[in-house]
Amino acid sequence: DAKTTQPNSMESNEEEPVHLPCNHSTISGTDYIHWYRQLPSQGPEYVIHGLTSNVNNRMASLAIAEDRKSSTLILHRATLRDAAVYYCILTGGGSQGNLIFGKGTKLSVKP
Amino acid sequence: NAGVTQTPKFRILKIGQSMTLQCAQDMNHNYMYWYRQDPGMGLKLIYYSVGAGITDKGEVPNGYNVSRSTTEDFPLRLELAAPSQTSVYFCASSYSGGRGAYGYTFGSGTRLTVV
Repeated sequence: DAKTTQPNSMESNEEEPVHLPCNHSTISGTDYIHWYRQLPSQGPEYVIHGLTSNVNNRMASLAIAEDRKSSTLILHRATLRDAAVYYCILTGGGSQGNLIFGKGTKLSVKP
Repeated sequence: NAGVTQTPKFRILKIGQSMTLQCAQDMNHNYMYWYRQDPGMGLKLIYYSVGAGITDKGEVPNGYNVSRSTTEDFPLRLELAAPSQTSVYFCASSYSGGRGAYGYTFGSGTRLTVV
């Protein structure tokens, strides 16, 4: 399974944009890039996913590098409720069809 | 739409007791998964199912069993509970499984303590 690399932690100020990076240099052509977040004492929550093109939804935007070896999750205006652990995960082609979770990036948001 | 529902939310078991963690989804997803999350760690796959009647082991299956008689339900059975099984358990489901074309939906978890 292809692996991802994320910073252990990041800080942001409330109402400012946040760019969460993810490196995945061994990504294969069939791997989708998924992002999930986990708020304290809750289950993981789907944020966004994409294959090659940049994606936008009501929660965030996903910017995917042209060579697909990295991606960035963009929260346009961070709120205190966005403080969570963010996981960048690759999928695609695995026989188990499961998500492999790393340690993610712990995002802190300061008021 | 309820999504993925897990019961109970909390449970304390004595060593050697058994219990079943319930998981139900109403999205007609074929793929379902059980994960456990130990404090400060990421999620580890226990068992998964690609459809009714089909289950298989994940990364940490020892001490657990599953069944999948319907598309909607995927219970996880703990036999002879041990302190090492103290964890938070999450059930998840997806439409496309490993192909990744769709997102995965997680339940809110069951916090289990074995004493």
